[in-house]
Amino acid sequence: DTGVSQDPRHKITKRGQNVTFRCDPISEHNRLYWYRQTLGQGPEFLTYFQNEAQLEKSRLLSDRFSAERPKGSFSTLEIQRTEQGDSAMYLCASSTSSGAASGNTIYFGEGSWLTVV
Amino acid sequence: AQSVTQLDSHVSVSEGTPVLLRCNYSSSYSPSLFWYVQHPNKGLQLLLKYTSAATLVKGINGFEAEFKKSETSFHLTKPSAHMSDAAEYFCVVSALYNQGGKLIFGQGTELSVKP
Repeated sequence: DTGVSQDPRHKITKRGQNVTFRCDPISEHNRLYWYRQTLGQGPEFLTYFQNEAQLEKSRLLSDRFSAERPKGSFSTLEIQRTEQGDSAMYLCASSTSSGAASGNTIYFGEGSWLTVV
Repeated sequence: AQSVTQLDSHVSVSEGTPVLLRCNYSSSYSPSLFWYVQHPNKGLQLLLKYTSAATLVKGINGFEAEFKKSETSFHLTKPSAHMSDAAEYFCVVSALYNQGGKLIFGQGTELSVKP
């Protein structure tokens, strides 16, 4: 069990550029979540996948954000035309199919820090 | 909708003294509740979880939490703080299965431990 891995861990980009983050979940987990965390705040839900299907998107996920999980394994989160307000840590997490609703553990990666300058 | 409120944004204790981090929840159903810890520049680690079994839940590193339905509380405790406990702690409630079973986080409590 290698845990949830995220890449890159840190990204500095200029405003207006596009960035992409990758998440590799725990191999047997078919549910994958993306969260955003800003300094001094708790993580906020962005979106989640059940296998390759994206089942829910938060209102925080503006049209500049897109997430994919093409083969139900790894996932990518792309931010187009980045803005300074996008600066945050982007966390990926995975779990078995029912998520935390039945008390299952959701496992988090170490996050990808984005700084937009 | 489900939510959690962490009553203290910052708690400071001396090493060797008890820790109490307070959390109240709001839910229209019997929730699953969790405490996660986040060390600086690190991801989130599960400390413990309540899933409608025993109301007193034991977690890692000596932490415990008690589910009190009458008070809608899920406070985190530890008898004796260690320097390595200094971190950010999040109280978390789960959404229903048909809402994605996702986690809904509180704002966090920063725990400082003085030598």
